[in-house]
Amino acid sequence: GQQVMQIPQYQHVQEGEDFTTYCNSSTTLSNIQWYKQRPGGHPVFLIQLVKSGEVKKQKRLTFQFGEAKKNSSLHITATQTTDVGTYFCAGDDFNKFYFGSGTKLNVKP
Amino acid sequence: DTEVTQTPKHLVMGMTNKKSLKCEQHMGHRAMYWYKQKAKKPPELMFVYSYEKLSINESVPSRFSPECPNSSLLNLHLHALQPEDSALYLCASGPQGPESPLHFGNGTRLTVT
Repeated sequence: GQQVMQIPQYQHVQEGEDFTTYCNSSTTLSNIQWYKQRPGGHPVFLIQLVKSGEVKKQKRLTFQFGEAKKNSSLHITATQTTDVGTYFCAGDDFNKFYFGSGTKLNVKP
Repeated sequence: DTEVTQTPKHLVMGMTNKKSLKCEQHMGHRAMYWYKQKAKKPPELMFVYSYEKLSINESVPSRFSPECPNSSLLNLHLHALQPEDSALYLCASGPQGPESPLHFGNGTRLTVT
């Protein structure tokens, strides 16, 4: 089956520093989605990338989809304490969404 | 807040019990999902229903039995579970077809004793 790996597993940053998480799939993806899960919460959809090389921005968040559609990244500029949580990518395999291993972000004020 | 409602929030059951988890959505989504999430792990796909028919079973043990009575409801029937089945069970829904974000419920925290 599809395998989606994320690095790093954990990231501790000082508030104001930047943060990046990387997602790599063993197979070509039709699209990739990103989710955020706060501690004690459920995954919340952030964005979906469909096109090869696509870049999307949401305020301080920048999402990229690789040219080969096998990798993706999420970059947060100037982190805030509200960014704390685990960020998951999810690869779509004909409506079977396989979640990456996740990156847990901790932001120190 | 979420538009996908899961009940109960917490459930403690013995290994000989039979219980059911319930999920409801009123967004008109035609795909519904059950995921299992262990602590510090990603959600793990269990079942997918598409237009009220089971389309995907990720080799889940038969002690978990899904049911989709109608397009808004999704149940997960539990019987003879093991302690290692203790986890957060998440229901999600999404519009059918490509580019379909998942909307998750708050989950049911299940403890098997």
